[in-house]
Amino acid sequence: DAGVTQSPTHLIKTRGQQVTLRCSPKSGHDTVSWYQQALGQGPQFIFQYYEEEERQRGNFPDRFSGHQFPNYSSELNVNALLLGDSALYLCASTIRLANEQFFGPGTRLTVL
Amino acid sequence: DAKTTQPPSMDCAEGRAANLPCNHSTISGNEYVYWYRQIHSQGPQYIIHGLKNNETNEMASLIITEDRKSSTLILPHATLRDTAVYYCIALSGYALNFGKGTSLLVTP
Repeated sequence: DAGVTQSPTHLIKTRGQQVTLRCSPKSGHDTVSWYQQALGQGPQFIFQYYEEEERQRGNFPDRFSGHQFPNYSSELNVNALLLGDSALYLCASTIRLANEQFFGPGTRLTVL
Repeated sequence: DAKTTQPPSMDCAEGRAANLPCNHSTISGNEYVYWYRQIHSQGPQYIIHGLKNNETNEMASLIITEDRKSSTLILPHATLRDTAVYYCIALSGYALNFGKGTSLLVTP
């Protein structure tokens, strides 16, 4: 039973560029959430997708957007990258918005 | 969601019980207490959650005080693999926002 998978594992971008991160949820899960974890901090909630709609959003600017596909996989897009966007981006999945979430290993984004 | 306060770090000897405290004095009646942990270089892992009653599963026990203003996560027989950052979260909605947590070091 595959867990949550994320791609790529590492990514280096420059300021102003755009990036797309991908997530496949655990088998049987239909809800995907995205988190940003800066160095030395706990993960912070970006947004959550269920039934292909954004259900809840954290305190992140509109530069952060997402999408959920019919197969429940999801993408996180960040436009106009800033140095402060450098972080570990975590994807988590669950069933029907439950809070017992399963996390993937994350994508390490470095913005130069 | 209510703010939670945890000690920044704790040590525990291998084989002993690890008791991790969390203060959530402003918790409201419909907020659950969730515990997650994050082992270095991995994503967080769900441990346990509760509302009012004490809870136990294969990983840990959760003791919530009667007034619900604080709770304690208990790892009954800590192993070296339990070394991690432990997060306590008070939550009523869907947005898990993690604080800085408690860094638990289990020593041989």
